[in-house]
Amino acid sequence: LAKTTQPISMDSYEGQEVNITCSHNNIATNDYITWYQQFPSQGPRFIIQGYKTKVTNEVASLFIPADRKSSTLSLPRVSLSDTAVYYCLVGLYNNNDMRFGAGTRLTVKP
Amino acid sequence: DAGITQSPRHKVTETGTPVTLRCHQTENHRYMYWYRQDPGHGLRLIHYSYGVKDTDKGEVSDGYSVSRSKTEDFLLTLESATSSQTSVYFCAIGQGSQETQYFGPGTRLLVL
Repeated sequence: LAKTTQPISMDSYEGQEVNITCSHNNIATNDYITWYQQFPSQGPRFIIQGYKTKVTNEVASLFIPADRKSSTLSLPRVSLSDTAVYYCLVGLYNNNDMRFGAGTRLTVKP
Repeated sequence: DAGITQSPRHKVTETGTPVTLRCHQTENHRYMYWYRQDPGHGLRLIHYSYGVKDTDKGEVSDGYSVSRSKTEDFLLTLESATSSQTSVYFCAIGQGSQETQYFGPGTRLLVL
């Protein structure tokens, strides 16, 4: 099973780059890696997804090394509104091996 | 936001009573999921559906059953609620394997 491990919490300041790493040592060949953001009292919201190397969109970058045993979500120049819990998800959506990490609570300070 | 609603949004019930939560979508997505979220555990998959009448178990399926009689609705039933099932329940939808999941607003369930 694709178990994931993330830091419980991280602190940052406005304008800094934040990197959150997720470990997934037993990731399967067909597994994708997806990151979600969740604000209090809301459902998670998709940020980015990747399979290998680097993926970038308008809000984040995702770095995946060649062995795919970890992944790093990079948030450039965070603001106070980026304070949230960030989850990594590993696994196929169509079977019960899908696993969310426990989440990383990011606090951005002024 | 994706057209996904959950009902009820809040519910208080007593141990031993049956409870049904409803997830409704207007996006015609094939996949639907039920998760529970508890402090320290993040999101855990309960059951999912990959089509009408096609469902499968997730990581924490014991004590829960689901039904999907039409594309737009996915029901989660607690046959006999227990205090350990007090949680926030999220429904999600997706178009297919590896596709983005869109989450509903959640249902807060308290079992006394």
